[in-house]
Amino acid sequence: DAGVTQSPTHLIKTRGQQVTLRCSPKSGHDTVSWYQQALGQGPQFIFQYYEEEERQRGNFPDRFSGHQFPNYSSELNVNALLLGDSALYLCASSLSPRAEAFFGQGTRLTVV
Amino acid sequence: AQTVTQSQPEMSVQEAETVTLSCTYDTSESDYYLFWYKQPPSRQMILVIRQEAYKQQNATENRFSVNFQKAAKSFSLKISDSQLGDAAMYFCAYRGIQGAQKLVFGQGTRLTINP
Repeated sequence: DAGVTQSPTHLIKTRGQQVTLRCSPKSGHDTVSWYQQALGQGPQFIFQYYEEEERQRGNFPDRFSGHQFPNYSSELNVNALLLGDSALYLCASSLSPRAEAFFGQGTRLTVV
Repeated sequence: AQTVTQSQPEMSVQEAETVTLSCTYDTSESDYYLFWYKQPPSRQMILVIRQEAYKQQNATENRFSVNFQKAAKSFSLKISDSQLGDAAMYFCAYRGIQGAQKLVFGQGTRLTINP
């Protein structure tokens, strides 16, 4: 059984560009959450998707948006990239919004 | 808002010895979950142990145990018989029961195991 998979593993973007990160949840999981982990810091909650809707959102600007597809996979989009958006982006899936979260290996985004 | 604080940026321990990682948190909720996650160089967050606040008994998972002091809002992790594979970043995390289901993480503690 594949766990949570994220793609790509690494990418480099230029300031002002847009980026899309992808997440496939663990089999049977219908809830996906996204976290941003800056270097040397703990992860910070971006938002959570359940039933194809954004259910909760952390303290992130509207440049950060997402989507959940009928197969429960999810995308995180970041527009107008800033140098400060450089971080590890973690996806976590769960059986429901209140269940234990399982994490993927993350996407390392570098903005230059 | 809930906050989680880990006051030890780095810790080291000799292989086979015991080490304790500290965590304090702040919340106005009476019921919640607390977690310890391990993040090795592979970057994937791995759940080590979890504690439900309504349970007075401290959680234990093999060599890992916690000391949960609800009144003091303290949640420390004890690793017994430390192994080289235990070397990683360790994060303490909080999750409420009501409202937001997000995990709130501390800043992390880097644990080094000396052979």
